[in-house]
Amino acid sequence: GEDVEQSLFLSVREGDSSVINCTYTDSSSTYLYWYKQEPGAGLQLLTYIFSNMDMKQDQRLTVLLNKKDKHLSLRIADTQTGDSAIYFCAESINRGSTLGRLYFGRGTQLTVWP
Amino acid sequence: AAGVIQSPRHLIKEKRETATLKCYPIPRHDTVYWYQQGPGQDPQFLISFYEKMQSDKGSIPDRFSAQQFSDYHSELNMSSLELGDSALYFCASRGMGPGANVLTFGAGSRLTVL
Repeated sequence: GEDVEQSLFLSVREGDSSVINCTYTDSSSTYLYWYKQEPGAGLQLLTYIFSNMDMKQDQRLTVLLNKKDKHLSLRIADTQTGDSAIYFCAESINRGSTLGRLYFGRGTQLTVWP
Repeated sequence: AAGVIQSPRHLIKEKRETATLKCYPIPRHDTVYWYQQGPGQDPQFLISFYEKMQSDKGSIPDRFSAQQFSDYHSELNMSSLELGDSALYFCASRGMGPGANVLTFGAGSRLTVL
């Protein structure tokens, strides 16, 4: 099956950078995603990267992809208390009928201390 | 911009009852996905539809069924509810063109089975 692994918890101080890591096992991944979930809320797409890229930057967010090691990271610069949430890494494997289905990791609870 | 609309947002049922969740995708999105997220868990794929036909099936119990209608909205029907069905149920939609590899999620329907 498809396994996506993430560390469960991360704590940082406000203003510091946060780095959330994710590993995946399926080398057929075509797109990799980061979603944010606040308590009791839905899944908000933060950013995504195509598997033939190795970096993508979007304002405070930087995504790094090491396809050889199947490692994905999300760096949040100047982390704010409003960034406290659960961050899910997800992969999409476009194979026949599984086009677009996402496989999620367990999520990383980011806590930002003032 | 229009988002994915799910109803009801909260639902309380008793064991062995039935429940129906509704999902209205973003206009012109033709693919709908259903996910189940148990407490503290990652979202698990249940089923998806493309152009009103089932396109993929995941870990959906036999007690559950779903369909997509001519206006592209989808309904998830759950019968003989069990305590373990208590979860947040997400619907996501995807369109064609530039946004074809992005799933946009609704806010979710929280089902509590007593």
